[in-house]
Formats: sequence, C-alpha cells, structure tokens
Amino acid sequence: EVQLVESGGGLVQPGRSLRLSCAASGFTFDDYAMHWVRQAPGKGLEWVSGISWNSGSIGYADSVKGRFTISRDNAKNSLYLQMNSLRAEDTALYYCAKGTEIAAAAPMDYWGQGTLVTVSS
Amino acid sequence: EIVLTQSPGTLSLSPGERATLSCRASQSVSSSYLAWYQQKPGQAPRLLIYGASSRATGIPDRFSGSGSGTDFTLTISRLEPEDFAVYYCQQYGSSHTFGQGTKLEIK
Repeated sequence: EVQLVESGGGLVQPGRSLRLSCAASGFTFDDYAMHWVRQAPGKGLEWVSGISWNSGSIGYADSVKGRFTISRDNAKNSLYLQMNSLRAEDTALYYCAKGTEIAAAAPMDYWGQGTLVTVSS
Repeated sequence: EIVLTQSPGTLSLSPGERATLSCRASQSVSSSYLAWYQQKPGQAPRLLIYGASSRATGIPDRFSGSGSGTDFTLTISRLEPEDFAVYYCQQYGSSHTFGQGTKLEIK
C-alpha cells in the first residue's frame, strides 16, 4: 500500500524558515517523480514544486522560486521542501504527492494527508 | 504560465443526473497533458482522469474525460451520492497549474 506521510509543519514567523519532509513507502521511490502541492485554507490547489526521479529535473512555481528548495533522498525514500523567507501567503496545507512517471511532467496518483504551515507573527 | 479556467464555479444537480464540467486553458495544452482530480472535504485529492481521457486505476466508468488543445470536459454520466465534491483540472505539459475548481453540490 502506497503511503506518503508529511511532517515538519507548524507556526512560524514571517521571514523565518521551515523544512518539510515526506516519508514514502509501499512503492519503489526512485522510480517516480515527486511533488509538493499546497492548499490555502478554503482555497484551491496550487502546485509548488516537482522533482524527477534522479533530481535531474526540478521545477518551481513562480510564487516560491528563489525561496523554496525541493530535494529527495532515494536511499531514505524521502522528499523534502526547504522553505526560506516565509510569507503570510505561504500559509497552507502542504501535500506530498507521487507522480505517475519518472519525469515530473505527469499527473499525481497518490497524495499524503498534508502538513499545515502557518506563517504569522 | 498556462492559466486554467473552470466553469461553472458551482454546479447544483441531483443524484442520477449527468454532470458536465469545463476546463479552458489560456493556451494549448501539449499532448493533452490534462488531468482531473476529485477532492472531498478533509481529504486529499484523488486522480480521476489523465491524458485528457484515460481513467486512473479504480475509477468508475461513469467518469469520462474529453477534449484537446484548450478545451476539456469532465463528464459524470449518472451522479452517485459520493460524487458530490470539488473537481480540479490540472495541466502538466508546461510546468504544472491547476484550475480554481468546480464545486458539485446536491440540488
């Protein structure tokens, strides 16, 4: 059974940093691209970042480019999101999602339950 | 960036009726890299359709997708009570973007 478990969310002040993690199990992690997708309270889905199976291809939404860094450790079956210079508008539930292919240009077929990030003073 | 516009914003129908949801892209979506997701309150999204018209694993055949270029449609042939939810389209041909969602509610 595919499982994606996010952690690392919490309350953080504007301008500070936070690192999210996603522990994956139930599938061959390094056979698939992975993504972070967020959802602000009561709002729609926003793709944040994606990474190919071998980290050779990485993409970011314009809203987080230069502030967020995605990475993965295939030996640990884990996905990460380093979030710097956080803003109030980054407040959201952050989902880890598995792509359907090794490349990031593919949809997402499994999602975690999300970790909540709240940016507030 | 490709912008996806979904319509209507809210669709009110009864169980047994047919639902037609629209997703329009600001520019052509390459290779029909268009997906649809369903999200229920308090749950993560679920992949329904990919490649504009292919059903994901385990998705009932009352769900179907169609379209190409800039105009795409999700059709639910006969609504079941569990189909009332929010639906999102997503393009993954040029980076990734989601539409704003269509809420399908019980009339």
